[in-house]
Amino acid sequence: EAGVAQSPRYKIIEKRQSVAFWCNPISGHATLYWYQQILGQGPKLLIQFQNNGVVDDSQLPKDRFSAERLKGVDSTLKIQPAKLEDSAVYLCASRFSSIQYFGAGTRLSVL
Amino acid sequence: QQPVQSPQAVILREGEDAVINCSSSKALYSVHWYRQKHGEAPVFLMILLKGGEQKGHEKISASFNEKKQQSSLYLTASQLSYSGTYFCGTEQSGGSNYKLTFGKGTLLTVNP
Repeated sequence: EAGVAQSPRYKIIEKRQSVAFWCNPISGHATLYWYQQILGQGPKLLIQFQNNGVVDDSQLPKDRFSAERLKGVDSTLKIQPAKLEDSAVYLCASRFSSIQYFGAGTRLSVL
Repeated sequence: QQPVQSPQAVILREGEDAVINCSSSKALYSVHWYRQKHGEAPVFLMILLKGGEQKGHEKISASFNEKKQQSSLYLTASQLSYSGTYFCGTEQSGGSNYKLTFGKGTLLTVNP
């Protein structure tokens, strides 16, 4: 069974630029999460989708971050404009029966 | 409320045992354990539900003390492949929508 796919794996941008990340969850998983993992820290939840609806976005910096999950399958996370402190790994996960399955993430470096 | 993991790091020789702890100040419904190797996705190890059950998977097992809101991960006769960062993710009681809050992680290094 294919896992959670994310792209790109790496991205380097300058501050104030915009960037987008893509996630394709495991087939049939209705719940999708985006996490931010800063170096040396655990994953921090940004947003949770159930199908194409938002369940929890309380920790999403909405002035610069946005996310969507059209048709309840793939999802994109966007940052505009990026700040230096956004440098992190952005992980996508999908859930089946209480277990979250993670993708390998996108490593973002903001210069 | 972020759970607290201890120790922050541990170094073992192959064959030695280790215990990693995860504590919360909030009432928990479940505790999830993951292992992440550098540059890779976190990999699910096991889930503990409230009730103090203990689970095992080969030489890795875990317990959940509901009264103390604490979980412990036990690694027995460690292998080189056990190296990585271990995270606990906690789900609070009362309809959290399966939202997990992760600790800062414990870096485990197993040397030959």
